[in-house]
Amino acid sequence: AQSVTQPDIHITVSEGASLELRCNYSYGATPYLFWYVQSPGQGLQLPLKYFSGDTLVQGIKGFEAEFKRSQSSFNLRKPSVHWSDAAEYFCAVGASNYGQNFVFGPGTRLSVLP
Amino acid sequence: DSGVTQTPKHLITATGQRVTLRCSPRSGDLSVYWYQQSLDQGLQFLIQYYNGEERAKGNILERFSAQQFPDLHSELNLSSLELGDSALYFCASSPTSDTGELFFGEGSRLTVL
Repeated sequence: AQSVTQPDIHITVSEGASLELRCNYSYGATPYLFWYVQSPGQGLQLPLKYFSGDTLVQGIKGFEAEFKRSQSSFNLRKPSVHWSDAAEYFCAVGASNYGQNFVFGPGTRLSVLP
Repeated sequence: DSGVTQTPKHLITATGQRVTLRCSPRSGDLSVYWYQQSLDQGLQFLIQYYNGEERAKGNILERFSAQQFPDLHSELNLSSLELGDSALYFCASSPTSDTGELFFGEGSRLTVL
């Protein structure tokens, strides 16, 4: 069964600074990889996804993520953080069409200082 | 707006009671998933339906049940509620059973007193 780890529970950055959120997964084949973001009181939105092909994926709002097979990682990056990016970020791996195979990491809470 | 609608948004009830959470998937989506989000457990997969039939079952308690109706909306029934059932319950949908991309509703927050 696949699993996802997000080593950082909470990260604080200053507005305008760069951001990298770490995600490591365990799965035997090439997975579907996702970053979901949950703003306070909101549902989960999908700024970025990886299915196959280029290892550097561009998402919405300036987010990008790089898939590194050798490191089993899918880290999320943003060159300049905005205050509105403060949220909970979940990395997820979707290995197949069965619900129990769509696994979320524990989440990383991002705080942004003015 | 993901296109997935969940009602009610907030629900407060007492222990021992029964509640029903409703989910309308995105237009055309055949798969519906239910997740429970709590502070100590994170996002836990409960159950998946595909075109009216149960497709996969996760960590769903026997006190909980779900179904998907012919119009593809789904209901999650929670009975004999306990304090520990207080959580945010998310519904998600996907177009077919072959994609791993899920579209989430805004959730139903259940508080059991």
